[in-house]
Amino acid sequence: KNEVEQSPQNLTAQEGEFITINCSYSVGISALHWLQQHPGGGIVSLFMLSSGKKKHGRLIATINIQEKHSSLHITASHPRDSAVYICAVQRLISNFGNEKLTFGTGTRLTIIP
Amino acid sequence: DTAVSQTPKYLVTQMGNDKSIKCEQNLGHDTMYWYKQDSKKFLKIMFSYNNKELIINETVPNRFSPKSPDKAHLNLHINSLELGDSAVYFCASSALSSWETQYFGPGTRLLVL
Repeated sequence: KNEVEQSPQNLTAQEGEFITINCSYSVGISALHWLQQHPGGGIVSLFMLSSGKKKHGRLIATINIQEKHSSLHITASHPRDSAVYICAVQRLISNFGNEKLTFGTGTRLTIIP
Repeated sequence: DTAVSQTPKYLVTQMGNDKSIKCEQNLGHDTMYWYKQDSKKFLKIMFSYNNKELIINETVPNRFSPKSPDKAHLNLHINSLELGDSAVYFCASSALSSWETQYFGPGTRLLVL
């Protein structure tokens, strides 16, 4: 079982719908990242969060540290939101403060006009 | 101006060859990374450098050797290429070693025949 699980793996929705992508993890973390990979392959970092909630435009990311769960929401979805959304957890790997990222397998989102 | 650039974008080569991928960032960041994305689109950290010093080497075969001549460059040299090395390799950088928002390069698609 992966340390980071995302659901759903694939999601197709109509333009305008409210989208939720979930990420669960099984290790202690210092932060969680959401990334977006465009159909052309480019990767953009969307959020880094360690508690609570962050909002950027139509995107909202929340995290519940106790439940080891994060969600990424997209309001008023648009075809240009079609991409793969990747969750990654950041955790300490040494006593010297070194950290690493472990990635989920991604959620492929398709928004139909 | 591109923030994080990689060359080449595509690389097709024979098994057994040695090849290099170059990465440069003009953001003044301290930390640079190499990631591998396999055919199933699963991202995995390979290396992380902070101020030219290696801080993460994530169980990558010795055939892979990163080189950081200065803070703005992190090149990846691969010896004796194998079929399983075929993947997309992404370079990224961030301002601090604590994995703050990362900026990704466009990726280098490597195909080993």
